[in-house]
Amino acid sequence: GDSVTQMEGPVTLSEEAFLTINCTYTATGYPSLFWYVQYPGEGLQLLLKATKADDKGSNKGFEATYRKETTSFHLEKGSVQVSDSAVYFCALSEGGGSNYKLTFGKGTLLTVNP
Amino acid sequence: KAGVTQTPRYLIKTRGQQVTLSCSPISGHRSVSWYQQTPGQGLQFLFEYFSETQRNKGNFPGRFSGRQFSNSRSEMNVSTLELGDSALYLCASSLDGGAGELFFGEGSRLTVL
Repeated sequence: GDSVTQMEGPVTLSEEAFLTINCTYTATGYPSLFWYVQYPGEGLQLLLKATKADDKGSNKGFEATYRKETTSFHLEKGSVQVSDSAVYFCALSEGGGSNYKLTFGKGTLLTVNP
Repeated sequence: KAGVTQTPRYLIKTRGQQVTLSCSPISGHRSVSWYQQTPGQGLQFLFEYFSETQRNKGNFPGRFSGRQFSNSRSEMNVSTLELGDSALYLCASSLDGGAGELFFGEGSRLTVL
């Protein structure tokens, strides 16, 4: 079945450092890929998404590129802020969403220190 | 526009009891899905409903059930609670449940003693 593997962390960075959170996936078809973020005490919210190979999703300075050849969707940000401290989840939706569910990675806790 | 509302936010039950959790989706959203979040297993899909029909179900025992009403509000029920059912239960809504964005509520945190 579908699966998502992401570095579990925790990841601790200083403010303005470069961030990479690795995510790889296994899927039988052509999934859509997502990064969701969960701030303390809140539900998940969509950070960015990509629906086909070579698409780049971006939002709030975060970027991720859908790499079909390496089945990866790594999250990057050039300069993190304290406010980026949260748990980040990589996820996929199989077959354009026709199975109506997301498969999530286990999440990566990011802590950014001032 | 009001977000996804889940009630109750926190609850404590004992083994063997049952629990019902409620979810009100964003107005106009017809798809509601439920996820269980635990430290060990992460986020796991429970089920998805659209127009009162369950379209997909995750790999959970039959003690976990759900339903959706004509106004798109949804409930999930867990019967004969076990200690391992302690988790954060997240509800998410979307327009059609496909590959678009899911909007999550803050969750209902269930503790089973």
